[in-house]
Amino acid sequence: DQQVKQNSPSLSVQEGRISILNCDYTNSMFDYFLWYKKYPAEGPTFLISISSIKDKNEDGRFTVFLNKSAKHLSLHIVPSQPGDSAVYFCAAGHMIYNQGGKLIFGQGTELSVKP
Amino acid sequence: DAMVIQNPRYQVTQFGKPVTLSCSQTLNHNVMYWYQQKSSQAPKLLFHYYDKDFNNEADTPDNFQSRRPNTSFCFLDIRSPGLGDAAMYLCATSRAATGYGYTFGSGTRLTVV
Repeated sequence: DQQVKQNSPSLSVQEGRISILNCDYTNSMFDYFLWYKKYPAEGPTFLISISSIKDKNEDGRFTVFLNKSAKHLSLHIVPSQPGDSAVYFCAAGHMIYNQGGKLIFGQGTELSVKP
Repeated sequence: DAMVIQNPRYQVTQFGKPVTLSCSQTLNHNVMYWYQQKSSQAPKLLFHYYDKDFNNEADTPDNFQSRRPNTSFCFLDIRSPGLGDAAMYLCATSRAATGYGYTFGSGTRLTVV
C-alpha cells in the first residue's frame, strides 16, 4: 500500500517556464509534507515543507501548495532553471510519541529543464 | 561542516555473505534512519533509532538488522544478502524535537554478485 504517490516519473520543461510537480497521499494522519531534491550520486536534500495547517508555503522560486480535501500537494518552480534538473521526492510524515517523525516518500519525479 | 557520512559509497558483496554498511553523524541528532531505495522506487524506511530505542518497520525482513553503539554511529547489517537486496541504502538523521528536518548521507550503493 503506497501511501505517497508521484504519478509522473518524469517532466521536461523549458528554461524560464513553470515546473509543476504533483504528489498524492492516502493517509489522513500525515501532518507534515516536504519536498526533497536529489542529484545523481548524492543523498536527497531538503527543499521546502508545509504543515497540514497551511495551504501554501513559498520560498523564493519554490512554492508548495497543499489541498487537504483532495489529499494532494504540488511543487511549483518559477522560473525554472537548468540547475533545477534533478529528481524531486515528495514526502509525508506524522509524529509518533517517543519515536520522532517518520517520513514516507513517493517514487520521485525526474525534472529536466532545457536551456 | 556538520554532516552525515556513509561508508563505503559503493559496496560489492557475494550472495549470502554478511555485509555491514555504516553511517556516522556530527550533528548530534538523536534520531537515525535507514532507508532502502531500489531503482525508480520510493525510498523505503527499514527502521530507525530514537536515541537507543530501536523501531522496526513491520515489513522489514529479518535479514536486515541494525546497531547503534552511540549517538554518532549507526550500522546496517545484512545477514545473508540476496540478489533482491541490491539497492541504494540511505542513512538520515533528525532531531526529534524538530520532527522532520532530515539530513541525508550520500548513500551506499550495494551490489550483490
